[in-house]
Amino acid sequence: AQSVTQLDSQVPVFEEAPVELRCNYSSSVSVYLFWYVQYPNQGLQLLLKYLSGSTLVKGINGFEAEFNKSQTSFHLRKPSVHISDTAEYFCAVTLSLEYGNKLVFGAGTILRVKS
Amino acid sequence: ETGVTQSPTHLIKTRGQQVTLRCSSQSGHNTVSWYQQALGQGPQFIFQYYREEENGRGNFPPRFSGLQFPNYSSELNVNALELDDSALYLCASSFGTANYGYTFGSGTRLTVV
Repeated sequence: AQSVTQLDSQVPVFEEAPVELRCNYSSSVSVYLFWYVQYPNQGLQLLLKYLSGSTLVKGINGFEAEFNKSQTSFHLRKPSVHISDTAEYFCAVTLSLEYGNKLVFGAGTILRVKS
Repeated sequence: ETGVTQSPTHLIKTRGQQVTLRCSSQSGHNTVSWYQQALGQGPQFIFQYYREEENGRGNFPPRFSGLQFPNYSSELNVNALELDDSALYLCASSFGTANYGYTFGSGTRLTVV
């Protein structure tokens, strides 16, 4: 069964600094990968997804992620963060894009942007 | 276009009671999935409905059940509530192949006392 490990539970960073949120997955077969963001008292919003093709994926709000098959990683990056990026970020994996196949989420990383 | 709406936003129930949570899909979406997010954890898949049929289920007991209606809205029912059922319940809808990226609702916060 697939699993997702988010290596940092909290990441504090100063405004305008770069940030990387780490995600590793475990699967013996090909996977599809997602990053979601959750603002306080809200649901999840899709930031970006890797389905196939280029391993560097660009998403909304200036975020990007790189799929590394050999290291089974899908780290999220942003070159310059804003206070408004403070939120919880979830990495997720699925084995299939077909109906009925679940997304498996990591435990989340809280990004705290300080002024 | 409207997003995914869930009701109620908050709910307090007593152990042993039954609860029904409701979800209206985003316009044009015909697939609904439900997730449970316990405090400090990532969401966990409960089940998915497509065209009114359950189409996948996670590791949850039978006292978790659901319905999808012809207008693609959905209900999550939980019987014999336990304290560990306290969580944020998220509904997500999509059209066609479900995992290209759901649209999530804001969730229902259930507290069991």
